[in-house]
Amino acid sequence: EVQLVESGGGLVQTGRSLRLSCAASGFTFADYGMHWVRQRPGKGLEWVSGITWNGGPIGYADSVKGRFIISRDNAKNSLYLQMNSPRDEDTALYYCAKAHDSSGFGPGDYWGQGTLVTVSS
Amino acid sequence: DIVMTQSPDSLAVSLGERATFSCKSSQSVLHSSNNNNYLAWYQQKPGQPPKVVIYWASTRESGVPDRFSGSGSGTDFTLTISSLQAEDVAVYYCQQYYSAPFTFGPGTKVDIK
Repeated sequence: EVQLVESGGGLVQTGRSLRLSCAASGFTFADYGMHWVRQRPGKGLEWVSGITWNGGPIGYADSVKGRFIISRDNAKNSLYLQMNSPRDEDTALYYCAKAHDSSGFGPGDYWGQGTLVTVSS
Repeated sequence: DIVMTQSPDSLAVSLGERATFSCKSSQSVLHSSNNNNYLAWYQQKPGQPPKVVIYWASTRESGVPDRFSGSGSGTDFTLTISSLQAEDVAVYYCQQYYSAPFTFGPGTKVDIK
């Protein structure tokens, strides 16, 4: 059974850094691209970033470009999102999602339950 | 960036009736090399993560009931639920994965009339 478990969320001050993690199991993690998607309270979905099977970043949303960094450790079956200089508008539930294929150019076919990040000054 | 729009914002349909809603992209998401439309539809129920129902614009995800169907090409796409069931009440989002950032539409909320 595919499982994705996000962690690392919480309350963070504006400008401080935070690293989110996603632990994957139930599939060959190294074979698939991965995504981070967020959802602000009561709002729609926003794709944040994606990464190929071997660690090449696919890209970032304009709203986080230059501040967030996506990475992965295939030996640890883990996906990460380094959030630098967070802003109030980064407050959201952050989901990790498994891509449909190795390139990451595919939909998210399995999703975690999300980790909540609250940014406050 | 590719901008995704959806219409209507919400709709209410009687049980057993057809629900149809639209998604448009600001530029084509049809890849000429493989003739695939890089477009997915997701269903999100309250308190749950999204679930993909359709990808490549018209391919139903495994386990999704056949009352869900996707159509369209290029910039105009449609999701149809042929006979609405109570468990289909949700917000439906389209997403393009043609080019980064992989933008989502704002969603269509589906309710029972």
